[in-house]
Amino acid sequence: QVQLVQSGAEVKRPGGASVKLSCRTSGYIFTNYKITWVRQAPGQSLEWMGWISADTRDTDYAQNFQGRVTMTTDTSARTAYMELRSLTSDDTARYYCARQWGLHSFDPWGQGSLVTVSS
Amino acid sequence: QSALTQPASVSGSPGQSISISCTGTVNDIGGYNSVSWYQQHPGKAPKLVISDVTNRPSGVSSRFSGSKSGNTASLAISGLQAEDEADYYCCSNTISNTVVFGGGTRVTVL
Repeated sequence: QVQLVQSGAEVKRPGGASVKLSCRTSGYIFTNYKITWVRQAPGQSLEWMGWISADTRDTDYAQNFQGRVTMTTDTSARTAYMELRSLTSDDTARYYCARQWGLHSFDPWGQGSLVTVSS
Repeated sequence: QSALTQPASVSGSPGQSISISCTGTVNDIGGYNSVSWYQQHPGKAPKLVISDVTNRPSGVSSRFSGSKSGNTASLAISGLQAEDEADYYCCSNTISNTVVFGGGTRVTVL
């Protein structure tokens, strides 16, 4: 079956730190879909960060993250990556990857990676 | 881009039907036939239950249905069951070619 397995929890210090999360996929043709990234701060709603085409490696980032996020893929490893830089406490959240089809049908989702930014 | 507007909570008794609204603008919901809905149980990842306003993915119960009128989309759950207790989020693309989620609705089964 289709599965997305994400990397483990991270703790980072604020003030210039960055984090790079991975999303390993299986069960489908990797290059036939986009991978989207969504985050959820504690007790909050979902926030779309952007997507990357696993075929062309084209990306589209949400304006809130422009200049601070980079999404990449490794086709041979069937894995997508999301790097977020210049972390602050506001970036404390669970970060999800999901397979995307259509404009915003995200299915299935990974289990999420918890990122804590704290001094 | 502001989040889409959803009621904070909706409740119902087992077997009843409920509806969750999701209000946007002509720049998102009203401009496209592309609204999706996600169910999220506590501590779990979201799950797609409705795509493209009315389409139900394989494996999703037929008790879930979606609709749209103007700038407002709705998710209906019929024959409410205990397992339906969760948070629900609507989602739309926007005129700026981005994606926006609703604030979320907590469904409680009484």
